[in-house]
Amino acid sequence: GESVGLHLPTLSVQEGDNSIINCAYSNSASDYFIWYKQESGKGPQFIIDIRSNMDKRQGQRVTVLLNKTVKHLSLQIAATQPGDSAVYFCAENIGGGADGLTFGKGTHLIIQP
Amino acid sequence: NAGVTQTPKFQVLKTGQSMTLQCAQDMNHNSMYWYRQDPGMGLRLIYYSASEGTTDKGEVPNGYNVSRLNKREFSLRLESAAPSQTSVYFCASSAGLLSGSQETQYFGPGTRLLVL
Repeated sequence: GESVGLHLPTLSVQEGDNSIINCAYSNSASDYFIWYKQESGKGPQFIIDIRSNMDKRQGQRVTVLLNKTVKHLSLQIAATQPGDSAVYFCAENIGGGADGLTFGKGTHLIIQP
Repeated sequence: NAGVTQTPKFQVLKTGQSMTLQCAQDMNHNSMYWYRQDPGMGLRLIYYSASEGTTDKGEVPNGYNVSRLNKREFSLRLESAAPSQTSVYFCASSAGLLSGSQETQYFGPGTRLLVL
């Protein structure tokens, strides 16, 4: 199976609410994680990243939490807006190698008006 | 800066035809990558180039070849296209380990390929 996966394929939230997208990984050697946003017909867009020596990192309206004990990663989006509708992927890099990222299958975030 | 650009945007091939997908980046990045994305799937790495002059296989290299033409350009070639290669292809680049910076990858807009 894949090293990186997501708990839910689709997440529906009300506009203005907070969204939480989860990701599980199985390789304890993974030391760098990235969240990407992919809108329909476009390439993945970098949102935020976190290294394994951190538990939390905040950006503009987004927060990534890393729980190494249970190998779990989450992306929190505050005050969800219609423009946040997209597929969100978590990706991991193992050992800092330049051999690409391992991606999960993605979660489709749907914003209800 | 245009970032990562890809050509063509769309392509239809017949089984057995060949084609080359072009990718260029203007961020002076060392590393470049080719991924494919199939419906309901994440991205899977085909080939990568850690630095100019080097290329290595990724997770799904069969049926593909690559050329790192120079630091800016990284092309993907299908010598004899098969229906199983119908997919969306993304090129990405990163500063790479040689720069000592993070491995964040930046993606192009994709090439949508249909093989009949």
